[in-house]
Amino acid sequence: DVKVTQSSRYLVKRTGEKVFLECVQDMDHENMFWYRQDPGLGLRLIYFSYDVKMKEKGDIPEGYSVSREKKERFSLILESASTNQTSMYLCASSRAGRGEQYFGPGTRLTVT
Amino acid sequence: GDSVTQMEGPVTLSEEAFLTINCTYTATGYPSLFWYVQYPGEGLQLLLKATKADDKGSNKGFEATYRKETTSFHLEKGSVQVSDSAVYFCALRTSGTYKYIFGTGTRLKVLA
Repeated sequence: DVKVTQSSRYLVKRTGEKVFLECVQDMDHENMFWYRQDPGLGLRLIYFSYDVKMKEKGDIPEGYSVSREKKERFSLILESASTNQTSMYLCASSRAGRGEQYFGPGTRLTVT
Repeated sequence: GDSVTQMEGPVTLSEEAFLTINCTYTATGYPSLFWYVQYPGEGLQLLLKATKADDKGSNKGFEATYRKETTSFHLEKGSVQVSDSAVYFCALRTSGTYKYIFGTGTRLKVLA
């Protein structure tokens, strides 16, 4: 079974802190994704990566950056957390050319 | 651009009732279509998929048929159970892209 794990299920940070969210997949997938999920807005793509060190902006990249130094690991970085970044963050991975994505359990981030 | 529209929730049904959750899409090219399910406190899980017109995806008693002429991929189940209570997301991926487009989700509540 494909497994996608995220470093924390719940995280509480203060405004202005630098926040790292980590995601690891164990199935050698080429593609990895970060989404945020908010009530009434569904899933919105922040960034995705199709290879090591390769990344592309999604629909809402402002205030975020990413890092992919190894194929299995994709990190989301909030350079200076703000209260409007309080959300559920979901990581996903998929094979190149295959349809489905596999999701991690999510990290619920609260910025106070 | 590509988009997915699914029916607003919440949908409340009694156990053993028939379920339909409507999903329509707009896409250039020939997308793959997916239904994902999210149980409380968890990430999204792939429920079923279809990759070309007239394909029927099925899993755990759920079915959906890829209808190109009506650009629809409605989710159905003949007899729902309390354990089916969750949020259901319709999604598409257009061939040749990395991006997935998600609907806003439909919450289903099944009462015993």
